[in-house]
Amino acid sequence: AQSVSQHNHHVILSEAASLELGCNYSYGGTVNLFWYVQYPGQHLQLLLKYFSGDPLVKGIKGFEAEFIKSKFSFNLRKPSVQWSDTAEYFCAVTRKAAGNKLTFGGGTRVLVKP
Amino acid sequence: EPEVTQTPSHQVTQMGQEVILRCVPISNHLYFYWYRQILGQKVEFLVSFYNNEISEKSEIFDDQFSVERPDGSNFTLKIRSTKLEDSAMYFCASSGLAGGTGELFFGEGSRLTVL
Repeated sequence: AQSVSQHNHHVILSEAASLELGCNYSYGGTVNLFWYVQYPGQHLQLLLKYFSGDPLVKGIKGFEAEFIKSKFSFNLRKPSVQWSDTAEYFCAVTRKAAGNKLTFGGGTRVLVKP
Repeated sequence: EPEVTQTPSHQVTQMGQEVILRCVPISNHLYFYWYRQILGQKVEFLVSFYNNEISEKSEIFDDQFSVERPDGSNFTLKIRSTKLEDSAMYFCASSGLAGGTGELFFGEGSRLTVL
């Protein structure tokens, strides 16, 4: 079945550690890729998005993600996390054939210990 | 900064009761969505709405669900006869663009608990 997969359900790390969250999708054709973040008690917010062009995209709060078409991947990275990065992170995909309907991955809960 | 607002933030209801969840999308947006997230599960698409009609709906969005844009600002999700499995966080979203090119802006969610 076509889907979006996030490999890690929970990640625990210390401040200043590097973070990488994996995301793979199984759709063919043209896709748009997103990472959303949900801080505790808050709404989903867009971190970054990829539509076309440079496959390395930079988002807010020092996050970046790399689109590797051959691997159907869109991994999220941050070189040095802070305690305030504690949140749940969602990868999501839209397909040009399916309008703006976002299909989400299962989410990764990240806990950054001070 | 414009934002999507949802009410109520939390609603507790008895099984079989009707529930209406309300959303005020960003004012110049044209595309509206409902998603839900059952505790511990993925965020799932329910329905998209454009030009006063449903443009797409998922298998979850059965006859118990309906959406409406009764005036120029509100976008509502109605569950006619709630079931225990309808307990979830319901997110409204809006977008200014179509074709998979637009960012969706989400509200803070309405938590529905069905007893």
